[in-house]
Amino acid sequence: GNSVTQMEGPVTLSEEAFLTINCTYTATGYPSLFWYVQYPGEGLQLLLKATKADDKGSNKGFEATYRKETTSFHLEKGSVQVSDSAVYFCALRGGRNNDMRFGAGTRLTVKP
Amino acid sequence: ETGVTQTPRHLVMGMTNKKSLKCEQHLGHNAMYWYKQSAKKPLELMFVYNFKEQTENNSVPSRFSPECPNSSHLFLHLHTLQPEDSALYLCASSPPLNTEAFFGQGTRLTVV
Repeated sequence: GNSVTQMEGPVTLSEEAFLTINCTYTATGYPSLFWYVQYPGEGLQLLLKATKADDKGSNKGFEATYRKETTSFHLEKGSVQVSDSAVYFCALRGGRNNDMRFGAGTRLTVKP
Repeated sequence: ETGVTQTPRHLVMGMTNKKSLKCEQHLGHNAMYWYKQSAKKPLELMFVYNFKEQTENNSVPSRFSPECPNSSHLFLHLHTLQPEDSALYLCASSPPLNTEAFFGQGTRLTVV
């Protein structure tokens, strides 16, 4: 079945550092790919998405490119801020049941 | 605000109590989900409803009983829970195709 694997955290960075959170997936067909963010005490919010190969999703300075050849959807940001501290989830949707599958989540802490 | 509302936000219940969690969306989505988020486990998909029909039950214990009376409302009935059931319970909804799911803010459940 479909699955998502993302790098384990926690990740701690200084403000203005470069961020990469790796995500790879296993799926049949052509799933849609997503990054969600969860701030403390909140539910999950969609950060960005890509629905087909080579699409680049972007939002709030974050980017991820749908790479079918490497089955990856890595999240990047050139300069993180303290306010980016949160848990980030990679997810896909597709396949027979068309349900959402999530990675384990990566906790990011950005220090001033 | 995602358009998915969960109540209550916090719930403390004894192991012999019966309580229900409620989820409501008026986004016109046909699919609704319950997820469990524990401190030390990845996001776990519990139940999926498509057009009010349950399409997935991921080996969830019978002390959790979902109900979907219409496409806008989803309930999770709880009875004789265990302390290890303490977690954040998240509801989500989505349109039929490979698009994103929208999450509520969750119910923080504590079983004492």
